[in-house]
Amino acid sequence: DAGVTQSPTHLIKTRGQQVTLRCSPKSGHDTVSWYQQALGQGPQFIFQYYEEEERQRGNFPDRFSGHQFPNYSSELNVNALLLGDSALYLCASRSGGRSTDTQYFGPGTRLTVL
Amino acid sequence: AQKITQTQPGMFVQEKEAVTLDCTYDTSDPSYGLFWYKQPSSGEMIFLIYQGSYDQQNATEGRYSLNFQKARKSANLVISASQLGDSAMYFCAMRGMFSGGYNKLIFGAGTRLAVHP
Repeated sequence: DAGVTQSPTHLIKTRGQQVTLRCSPKSGHDTVSWYQQALGQGPQFIFQYYEEEERQRGNFPDRFSGHQFPNYSSELNVNALLLGDSALYLCASRSGGRSTDTQYFGPGTRLTVL
Repeated sequence: AQKITQTQPGMFVQEKEAVTLDCTYDTSDPSYGLFWYKQPSSGEMIFLIYQGSYDQQNATEGRYSLNFQKARKSANLVISASQLGDSAMYFCAMRGMFSGGYNKLIFGAGTRLAVHP
């Protein structure tokens, strides 16, 4: 039973560039959330996708956008990268609906912006 | 607003001893969930244990137990018989049920645990 997978593992970009991060949810899960974890801090919620729609969004600018595909996989896009966007980006999945199911996280993508 | 506070930036414990990691929370939701995750240096957040606000008994999962004191708004993690592999960052997190927050987890700043042989 495959867990949550993310790609790439590491990424280096320069200021102003755009980046796309990818996530495949755990088998049987249809809801994907994205979190940003800056160095030395806890993860911060970016947004969540369910049934290919953004269901809730955290306090992040419009430069952060996402997408969910029919197979439940998801992408996180960040435009006009800033140095402060350097962080570990975590994807989490769970069963959809208003449930108490636990969110399971992937290994993360470490983004460095130079 | 919902908030998680972890006041211990770092903790040390001797192998095979028990350790308690503190977590307090603040929420106005009548129903909520509390989680503990472990994050090794590799970065992946590993789910350890869950406690629902209406659960009558404290949650336990193997060597992990959650000391839930609702009136004090605390949800401390107890690790019994520490192992070297327990060395990692530990995060307490909360999810609200009725305020629209059920879609997201709110995390504390974490506690770094070091287990010594």
